[in-house]
Amino acid sequence: KQEVTQIPAALSVPEGENLVLNCSFTDSAIYNLQWFRQDPGKGLTSLLLIQSSQREQTSGRLNASLDKSSGRSTLYIAASQPGDSATYLCAVRRGWGGSNYKLTFGKGTLLTVNP
Amino acid sequence: KAGVTQTPRYLIKTRGQQVTLSCSPISGHRSVSWYQQTPGQGLQFLFEYFSETQRNKGNFPGRFSGRQFSNSRSEMNVSTLELGDSALYLCASSLVGRKGNEQFFGPGTRLTVL
Repeated sequence: KQEVTQIPAALSVPEGENLVLNCSFTDSAIYNLQWFRQDPGKGLTSLLLIQSSQREQTSGRLNASLDKSSGRSTLYIAASQPGDSATYLCAVRRGWGGSNYKLTFGKGTLLTVNP
Repeated sequence: KAGVTQTPRYLIKTRGQQVTLSCSPISGHRSVSWYQQTPGQGLQFLFEYFSETQRNKGNFPGRFSGRQFSNSRSEMNVSTLELGDSALYLCASSLVGRKGNEQFFGPGTRLTVL
């Protein structure tokens, strides 16, 4: 059974700092990994999707890496801003069809960026 | 392109009642998944529909059911509500295929069971 762990559970940083969020998964047989952000009481916003054949993806100030063999992914946020404050979730998918289609989520990292 | 929409956004029900939640996927997306989010358990997969067929189901009791219509819109039903069903219910849609499957989530329906 796939288990996804995110460390730390909470993180508080001053504005402008570069930071790294960690995600680990127990079963390396994944199809892809997706990073989301969630604002309080809201739905999930997709940030980055990394296919199992890829090593990293970038979008603006965000960079996500994937090391499938070690069961790890990191989300790097450059020059953090107060608007980045949210809960960041990673999720893995085992396959693309049938019973493998569901996402397995970590519990998230609550990020606070202080002005 | 409009995102995933969910209705209603908020619901208050009492124990024993039943409830139906609705989800409209992004245009062209044929896969719809449902998730339950609670503070204790986090996000848990309920089920996934594709072309009006349930392809995958999570570990939830039979009180939780769903369906998908020919226009890909989906509904989720919970019968005989319990206090523990209070949660944020999220719907996600995606294209299906080797180049697709990035999931896009709606704003959720907040269900409170009294």
